[in-house]
Amino acid sequence: GESVGLHLPTLSVQEGDNSIINCAYSNSASDYFIWYKQESGKGPQFIIDIRSNMDKRQGQRVTVLLNKTVKHLSLQIAATQPGDSAVYFCAELNAGGTSYGKLTFGQGTILTVHP
Amino acid sequence: ETGVTQTPRHLVMGMTNKKSLKCEQHLGHNAMYWYKQSAKKPLELMFVYSLEERVENNSVPSRFSPECPNSSHLFLHLHTLQPEDSALYLCASSQDRNSGSRYEQFFGPGTRLTVL
Repeated sequence: GESVGLHLPTLSVQEGDNSIINCAYSNSASDYFIWYKQESGKGPQFIIDIRSNMDKRQGQRVTVLLNKTVKHLSLQIAATQPGDSAVYFCAELNAGGTSYGKLTFGQGTILTVHP
Repeated sequence: ETGVTQTPRHLVMGMTNKKSLKCEQHLGHNAMYWYKQSAKKPLELMFVYSLEERVENNSVPSRFSPECPNSSHLFLHLHTLQPEDSALYLCASSQDRNSGSRYEQFFGPGTRLTVL
């Protein structure tokens, strides 16, 4: 079936370094690709999204890149901080003619930031 | 806080028990979702309610029974569960895209369910 998956299950970085989390997807028929952050004891929290007709979008300290040719999505976090330690999920939104958003999630990458 | 609350936060139940999970959103949204998050698995969409009508049921066993009495509240009724149903159950809400709003889903903190 169609799925969204991640290359690396864990990523450890030093505080201040830049982090890159990758995601591969298989379904090209989508409206948006989204990154979520999930901290321990909390639900997933929206970080940034990118529409399928874009290839780059920047937020505060985060950048999402979309390469539709190879069906690859990445999240770049600049100057990573200990508070960035969490599990990061990519997700794909496929409205499919619905009025609500149907999300398909990847498995997640555990990001650990060492002081 | 995301504006989506879930109770209880933790629940331990036997296989013969009946319990209910509750979700409440204070965001004025009109779509609500139940997800299951198991260890080492992606989040799995279970049910979607849009305008209080169930619009998605992703092959979920009948021992899970959702209820949406109004646009702010969502329940998941549980009965005769199996140990493999132990997981984090997440509720989310969003605004109907037809209203021109973003699709973004806001998640609650989840209920950690353990079935003995």
